Amino acid sequence: GQNIDQPTEMTATEGAIVQINCTYQTSGFNGLFWYQQHAGEAPTFLSYNVLDGLEEKGRFSSFLSRSKGYSYLLLKELQMKDSASYLCAVILRDSNYQLIWGAGTKLIIKP
Amino acid sequence: EAQVTQNPRYLITVTGKKLTVTCSQNMNHEYMSWYRQDPGLGLRQIYYSMNVEVTDKGDVPEGYKVSRKEKRNFPLILESPSPNQTSLYFCASSYRDSRAGEQYFGPGTRLTVT
Repeated sequence: GQNIDQPTEMTATEGAIVQINCTYQTSGFNGLFWYQQHAGEAPTFLSYNVLDGLEEKGRFSSFLSRSKGYSYLLLKELQMKDSASYLCAVILRDSNYQLIWGAGTKLIIKP
Repeated sequence: EAQVTQNPRYLITVTGKKLTVTCSQNMNHEYMSWYRQDPGLGLRQIYYSMNVEVTDKGDVPEGYKVSRKEKRNFPLILESPSPNQTSLYFCASSYRDSRAGEQYFGPGTRLTVT
């Protein structure tokens, strides 16, 4: 079966750093994606990891360990606008590019 | 502007009354997909299409139909809606290659079936 786990909710303080974890057990792996979704809006693409290691993009970084089935999204210098849900998704190998989605982590930023 | 459009954005209907939600993209993407999103369950794929005239079931296809007669359009049809299909629906598109995970989403359609 396919399974992706993320914490349901996290709280952090404005200006701080937060790490959102994602673990996956899937039959095949061809890349991991992070999306941001503000309440009532569509998800928007944040990052893509296919090889092990850290990908940095401004205040956001994403890490992947394929051997451990583990990824995290690191958000630095948190701003109030970062309050959103963060979705982890895995694209399967040989699956017609089907994405398997985690349920998402709701991040609450406090002043 | 590159975008995915969906219509309508909001719809309230009654059980059994057929409806269609339209989806259109202007990025020449091969891959299109429909999702529903319910609280605590995340995004669940309903149907997807790899190209014109090619469609496949996702995780929750029961009660839905799709068609892909043109590359840009991918309508979602509910032949006989039921209250358990009350949800937030998203259409998405992407290239059919290593960029397939970078999906572009429409703004969503909030459907209520009474």
